[in-house]
Formats: sequence, structure tokens, C-alpha cells
Amino acid sequence: EVQLVESGGGLVKPGGSLRLSCAVSGVTFTNAWMTWVRQTPGKGLEWVALIKSKAAGGTIDYAAPVKGRFIISRDDSKNTLYLQMNSLQTEDTGLYYCTTGGGWGGLDYWGQGILVTVSS
Amino acid sequence: DIQLTQSPSFLSASVGDRVTITCRASQGISTYLAWYQQKPGKAPKLLIYTASTLQSGVPSRFSGSGSGTEFTLTVSSLQPEDFATYYCQQLNSYPLTFGGGTKVEIK
Repeated sequence: EVQLVESGGGLVKPGGSLRLSCAVSGVTFTNAWMTWVRQTPGKGLEWVALIKSKAAGGTIDYAAPVKGRFIISRDDSKNTLYLQMNSLQTEDTGLYYCTTGGGWGGLDYWGQGILVTVSS
Repeated sequence: DIQLTQSPSFLSASVGDRVTITCRASQGISTYLAWYQQKPGKAPKLLIYTASTLQSGVPSRFSGSGSGTEFTLTVSSLQPEDFATYYCQQLNSYPLTFGGGTKVEIK
């Protein structure tokens, strides 16, 4: 059974930082492209960042609103995906999902989501 | 960025109805389009990828078609468990973008 379990969310003040983690099991993590997606009432579903497998070059891409503030990374030895979020803004408030995929096959497995609230 | 426009944004239908949702891309994306279903309080679920390929385990009443800029998701006979919100997503180029969603409710 494939499981993706996010952690690390919570309430943070504007300008603060959070680090999300996503523990993955049931798939060959080293071969998986991994993606973060967020969902907000205002903007719906929004792609945040992607990191390809090392075999695919380990390429990283970010959505424009988070580029320069967020860092996606992976630890293949721990089957874990990360999202370091810095300089958080109120617009970053939302439910953050960890997913597998991001290539032409779509986002095939999703975590349950983790809530990030940026508020003073 | 490629914009995806879904229509309608809201749809009221009955069990057994045939339902079609449209997704239009602001530029050509070949067949690099996926469809997702989301129920309240749950993560989205992949239904279809590369415009028409059914994800494993998804009932055959779901089908997708299209290429270029116009795509459709069809449910041939709506079942009670199909009442949900549906999203399209383009995977042709970064940033990957989603449509605004279509909420399918019971008439």
C-alpha cells in the first residue's frame, strides 16, 4: 500500500519559516518524481514545486510565487521529501499536499495534506 | 504560463445522467492533461492522464478525450459516489497548472 504522510505544518507569523516533511512508503522512492501542491480557498489547487529522481537528473522547478523563498529537497536514504518554506506570507496559507509524479503520468499518489497558516 | 479554463464551474445532475466537463488550455498542450476527482475533506485522486488513459482502479464509466487545447471528461452514467469536484491539470510545461474545478452536485 502506498502511503505519503506529511508533517511539520502549523501556525507561523509572516516572515517566519516552516519545514514540511513527507514520509513515503510503498513505492520505490528513488525512482519517484515528487511534487508539492497546495490548496487555498482563493486560488484552488496550485502546483508549488517538483523534484525529479536522481536518475532523471534531479531537476527542480518552482512556481513563481514561491521561487527564491521555498526549497524542495529529498533524502532517498530516508524515503522522505522536504519543503523548506522561508519568508512566509499570508498568501502561503493553505493545505499542502505531497504527491508522487509530476511527469506526463500525472500526480498519482497524494498524502492527506498538512495545514500551513501564516498569520500575525 | 498555460491557463486552463474549466466549464461549467458548477453542474447539477441526477444519478444515471451522462455528464461532460470541458477543459480548455490557453495554448496547445498535446495530450499532456490529467483529470482528478476530489471529495470534501480528501486529497484529489487521479482519474485520467495523457488525456485519455484511465488510471488503474478507476471505473470505466469515466473517460477522457481531446488534444491540443480542448479536452473533455465524461462520466457515462453518474453514480452516487461520483458527486465531487473535478479538476484538470496540464503537464506539458512548467509551471504545471490546474483548472478552476467543476463541482458536480445532486439534482
